[in-house]
Amino acid sequence: AQSVTQLGSHVSVSEGALVLLRCNYSSSVPPYLFWYVQYPNQGLQLLLKYTTGATLVKGINGFEAEFKKSETSFHLTKPSAHMSDAAEYFCAVSLQTGANNLFFGTGTRLTVIP
Amino acid sequence: DTGVSQDPRHKITKRGQNVTFRCDPISEHNRLYWYRQTLGQGPEFLTYFQNEAQLEKSRLLSDRFSAERPKGSFSTLEIQRTEQGDSAMYLCASRGMGFGTEAFFGQGTRLTVV
Repeated sequence: AQSVTQLGSHVSVSEGALVLLRCNYSSSVPPYLFWYVQYPNQGLQLLLKYTTGATLVKGINGFEAEFKKSETSFHLTKPSAHMSDAAEYFCAVSLQTGANNLFFGTGTRLTVIP
Repeated sequence: DTGVSQDPRHKITKRGQNVTFRCDPISEHNRLYWYRQTLGQGPEFLTYFQNEAQLEKSRLLSDRFSAERPKGSFSTLEIQRTEQGDSAMYLCASRGMGFGTEAFFGQGTRLTVV
């Protein structure tokens, strides 16, 4: 079975500060890992993904994430928060089998304080 | 390519009524997914189509729910005899082939059952 745990349902940072959103996964086989962002009343947009290869993955809008197999983690970071980063962030895992559907965490709401 | 389209964006219905939602995926994507998202939660997988074949259904998909994808193009999700617990955002996503490919999401249909 596979699952995703996102620590912290709400995170607040000051504009210009480091953003760190935590994600831990559980999977019996090597997973694919994703971070999606959702703005109010919108669908989800892919920020970045890890499939194979380099464990540090860079995405859009200055975000990056590092796959750490030993820690079963895929934390999302951004060096300097911008007001436009305020949104809901979801970590997701998918397997290399079957429907290959995405299993999502419960999300982290990021607030950026001016 | 206009992305994944969902219609309607909002639906208010009385308990016991039937509702149908439509999803138009990205034209070259043969894989289509339906998810349900309730407040404060991540999207939960409902069902998966590869072309016109419905290959996987979640246990969340009760007998009142049915989905189709005729001719492997657009898809519909019907809920019969709606209940208040069906109130949620229903998201559609499409993907090309390959286990690590990005899932593109529509903006969702928000269902309110009164």
